[in-house]
Amino acid sequence: DGGITQSPKYLFRKEGQNVTLSCEQNLNHDAMYWYRQDPGQGLRLIYYSQIVNDFQKGDIAEGYSVSREKKESFPLTVTSAQKNPTAFYLCASRETGRDFFGQGTRLTVV
Amino acid sequence: EDQVTQSPEALRLQEGESSSLNCSYTVSGLRGLFWYRQDPGKGPEFLFTLYSAGEEKEKERLKATLTKKESFLHITAPKPEDSATYLCAVLNTRGNTGKLIFGQGTTLQVKP
Repeated sequence: DGGITQSPKYLFRKEGQNVTLSCEQNLNHDAMYWYRQDPGQGLRLIYYSQIVNDFQKGDIAEGYSVSREKKESFPLTVTSAQKNPTAFYLCASRETGRDFFGQGTRLTVV
Repeated sequence: EDQVTQSPEALRLQEGESSSLNCSYTVSGLRGLFWYRQDPGKGPEFLFTLYSAGEEKEKERLKATLTKKESFLHITAPKPEDSATYLCAVLNTRGNTGKLIFGQGTTLQVKP
């Protein structure tokens, strides 16, 4: 089945620790996106990539980093500089007219 | 500044009680307006894309309409399985970032 696969589904981070969220797609899409979703708020854009080896900051990039070495993969690292990382993280890819979303990763600071 | 506002925040309906969800937007050049359905703990699922005022699209009990300032998602004779959060988003023409701007969503609960 074609789609977006995010892993893990749940992730726990200790204070001062970096963690990486995986996002893989087999839809052959060039553009990929990372969003953060908090209760009562709309999705907010963290980073996006429109082509391999290129990416841009979104609205809330501070404390996050990404890479795009392969078309299929767009991992997101939540660094220790992100002071409030507890949230639901969504990865998406785009074809004309619609975005496809993964099932999300729920990150909790412990 | 581009903005999307959805209302109401929450809506409770009895099964079979039709209603509408509103999405008001201000955007510097609309390239598309999108509706998504999101179940708890899941990623958004695509429903519709609307491109120009006057356009309408239907899928089962859902019908989306678009004007120059807002979009409505009409739900006819809803069933409990229609319970979910419905998200609206717009894509603007500024630059080539292709950034979707999301509203906060409307959480719909349909009681049997």
